[in-house]
Amino acid sequence: EAQVTQNPRYLITVTGKKLTVTCSQNMNHEYMSWYRQDPGLGLRQIYYSMNVEVTDKGDVPEGYKVSRKEKRNFPLILESPSPNQTSLYFCASSLSDTGGADEAFFGQGTRLTVV
Amino acid sequence: SQQGEEDPQALSIQEGENATMNCSYKTSINNLQWYRQNSGRGLVHLILIRSNEREKHSGRLRVTLDTSKKSSSLLITASRAADTASYFCATDGRGSTLGRLYFGRGTQLTVWP
Repeated sequence: EAQVTQNPRYLITVTGKKLTVTCSQNMNHEYMSWYRQDPGLGLRQIYYSMNVEVTDKGDVPEGYKVSRKEKRNFPLILESPSPNQTSLYFCASSLSDTGGADEAFFGQGTRLTVV
Repeated sequence: SQQGEEDPQALSIQEGENATMNCSYKTSINNLQWYRQNSGRGLVHLILIRSNEREKHSGRLRVTLDTSKKSSSLLITASRAADTASYFCATDGRGSTLGRLYFGRGTQLTVWP
C-alpha cells in the first residue's frame, strides 16, 4: 500500500529538548516536504527536498532542520523546541516532473506540544 | 504570497444539498489540486486539474478552472454527512520550484443529517 508514515503521532515535550519526527514513504517519490498547520493559517511549508541530499527552506524554516540521506526518509529535527512550535505537522511526498506538481500523499500528522 | 484563498471559510448545509467552494490564486499555474482533511487527520487528494483543462469530474465532485480569472470551484453534489471536512485548494505556481504546492486556508464544510 502506498503510504507516508510519520512518527510519533503525538508528542509532548519541554522547551529546549531536542526531538526528531520521522517520515518515510514507500513510493520512490523524489519530492518530500514538511508542513505545519495552525488554526486560521492553513498549511505552511517548513522545508522541502527535491531529491537525496537536496533540501531547501520553505516559508517558515526558522527553528527546524531536515536531512535527506535516503530517498525514502525525510526527518524533521527541532534542535531546541519552543512553545511557538506547538502545532500539527505533516510530511508529504510526490513525484515531480516538468508537467507541474503531482498528487501529494500526506502522512497522518504529528501533534506536537512544547511546554 | 502565492497562497490560494478559499471562499467561503465555512459552509453549513443539509444532506442532499450541493456544496460549492471557490479558490482564487495569484500566479500562473501548471496544475490546481483539491484536497480534503478530516479533523486532525492528513490531507487526502481529491482531484487535479491542469491549466489547459476547464472542467473535470470525479464521482460526485466537479471542478472548474478559469485561468483568466485565476479561480477554481469545487462542487460536491448530493452531499452526505460523511462529506463533513475541510477542503483545500493547492496550486503549483508555474516557474516556482518543481513539485512545490501552495495551499489556501481551507473551507470548513459541515453537512447536517
